[in-house]
Amino acid sequence: KTQVEQSPQSLVVRQGENCVLQCNYSVTPDNHLRWFKQDTGKGLVSLTVLVHENDKTSNGRYSATLDKDAKHSTLHITATLLDDTATYICVVGDRGSALGRLHFGAGTQLIVIP
Amino acid sequence: EAAVTQSPRNKVTVTGGNVTLSCRQTNSHNYMYWYRQDTGHGLRLIHYSYGAGNLQIGDVPDGYKATRTTQEDFFLLLELASPSQTSLYFCASSGGGQDTQYFGPGTRLLVL
Repeated sequence: KTQVEQSPQSLVVRQGENCVLQCNYSVTPDNHLRWFKQDTGKGLVSLTVLVHENDKTSNGRYSATLDKDAKHSTLHITATLLDDTATYICVVGDRGSALGRLHFGAGTQLIVIP
Repeated sequence: EAAVTQSPRNKVTVTGGNVTLSCRQTNSHNYMYWYRQDTGHGLRLIHYSYGAGNLQIGDVPDGYKATRTTQEDFFLLLELASPSQTSLYFCASSGGGQDTQYFGPGTRLLVL
């Protein structure tokens, strides 16, 4: 059973618009949640990590929130650029140690058009 | 920044063929991982390792072997490749725990 669900599956926005990506999960325990960006044909690159209940992070035009009670996270991208076209993957770590496993969502494919 | 390289980048083989995928990391990380990525699925863990000579079974290990010869090098072996193993394979390394994993560029494998 999929433990990390992302929505929407795909999204098209115009350059300059803002967008919000959602991640719902059922992983227990949920030690931390990380958002990755995957450019087409390339590996994953970490954008941000959230650890605590009601964490909020910001990394340039990317900002993220985590609600551990609801097991829900959002990734906001502000003023999108063409280079933001990529797949964004939500990953939940079930422990903060090397014994933990990472649980990957299938990703949201974002396409930014001129 | 951590560097993880994979070779080959693309590979085509036939059913029953023998394939070795290579991964090297140069950031002195103890932990290395092999994943496969298929459309509609999140990355799935095949095998991972805590250090040279160590091997741990992941979530989808059937049909795969792995070997960690040094801290830098981690290999994935498909001794009797099947079409169901057609996929995009990623290697990653990390310092463990909450540290991010650094991913290689991927190897695209096609089994005919």
